[in-house]
Amino acid sequence: KNEVEQSPQNLTAQEGEFITINCSYSVGISALHWLQQHPGGGIVSLFMLSSGKKKHGRLIATINIQEKHSSLHITASHPRDSAVYICAVRSGNDKIIFGKGTRLHILP
Amino acid sequence: KAGVTQTPRYLIKTRGQQVTLSCSPISGHRSVSWYQQTPGQGLQFLFEYFSETQRNKGNFPGRFSGRQFSNSRSEMNVSTLELGDSALYLCASSVQPGPGTEAFFGQGTRLTVV
Repeated sequence: KNEVEQSPQNLTAQEGEFITINCSYSVGISALHWLQQHPGGGIVSLFMLSSGKKKHGRLIATINIQEKHSSLHITASHPRDSAVYICAVRSGNDKIIFGKGTRLHILP
Repeated sequence: KAGVTQTPRYLIKTRGQQVTLSCSPISGHRSVSWYQQTPGQGLQFLFEYFSETQRNKGNFPGRFSGRQFSNSRSEMNVSTLELGDSALYLCASSVQPGPGTEAFFGQGTRLTVV
């Protein structure tokens, strides 16, 4: 079993829909990151969380340390949000572990 | 402010050869980390450097090595290339290592081993 699990693996939705991507982890962590990767490979760091909730534009990220779970939400989704979203954790012993990613496709 | 620059962007090598990839961090960033991305394994952490010292290493064989120079630029080297080393190699820079620090990624070097 992977130490960082993401769901769903693939998600197709219509423009305007509310999107939720989940990340569960089984190790103690010091921080959790949400990354966005567009075709071509470039990666952008969206959020860095150690507790609570963060919001940036239409993106919201939450983390529940007790439940070892984080969610990334996209409100009013748009075709330009189509990308792979990757959850990454820095474990207590300073190792960096990635989820397999969620491929999101927003249809116009 | 220039972003993280990786060179070259694309590379084709033959099995058994060695390769060196370069990463220039954002000015003022002293931490550089390297990652391998393959379709099968996804993203995997290779190593992390800060102030010319390797402070963290992933689970990769000794054929994978790296270093960081006094100007914070970093190189990674893969010796005796295998077909399975074909991947996108990404580096990221941050002001300092550790949790709570935002990382900025380069565009990656796509290595193909034939």
